[in-house]
Amino acid sequence: QVQLVESGGGLVKPGGSLRLSCAASGFTFSDYYMSWIRQAPGKGLEWVSYISSSGSTIYYADSVKGRFTISRDNAKNSLYLQMNSLRAEDTAVYYCARAEYSSSSGGYFDYWGQGTLVTVSS
Amino acid sequence: SYELTQPPSVSVSPGQTARITCSGDALPKQYAYWYQQKPGQAPVLVIYKDSERPSGIPERFSGSSSGTTVTLTISGVQAEDEADYYCQSADSSGTVVFGGGTKLTVL
Repeated sequence: QVQLVESGGGLVKPGGSLRLSCAASGFTFSDYYMSWIRQAPGKGLEWVSYISSSGSTIYYADSVKGRFTISRDNAKNSLYLQMNSLRAEDTAVYYCARAEYSSSSGGYFDYWGQGTLVTVSS
Repeated sequence: SYELTQPPSVSVSPGQTARITCSGDALPKQYAYWYQQKPGQAPVLVIYKDSERPSGIPERFSGSSSGTTVTLTISGVQAEDEADYYCQSADSSGTVVFGGGTKLTVL
């Protein structure tokens, strides 16, 4: 069965950096677009970033563009999110999700991990 | 920026029908998707492409679309359906957008 397991969350000071990882299993990882989606405490869902199956095409939400970098290692079935210049408003649970991507309609997310909490605070 | 509008809350008695709406100007041209999220858990896809139901999702969950509004309908609501529900779609450039979420309370 499809499993997505995030790790790497924690407490970081404003301006700091953190790298999240997502280990995938139960499907052919290299066949799928992947995404990061976040949820601030008590708030709704916010899409963060997409990466194509090969890693050659990447999209970011305006709120993280220039600060976050998504990447993947298909040999290791792993997805990553490098987060730099972190702000208090980046505090959230970060979910890794498998995507059924569409260039015209944005696509959707059929499997989600359990999430990892990132807290940005001094 | 593009927004999807959902009611903050919907309440229904067990066995009744719950309808959760999601409005957005681009919905006539874009598919909508629905996710269920229970406290402390990750979201689960319950409807895709407006009205398709993934395998494993009970038949009481259905979706429909009319103009700028899409609706998630839960027929014969059960206590276990109490959760937050989020619609998702995309703007005209294909950027993913989520609605603000609706808390479904089963009385």
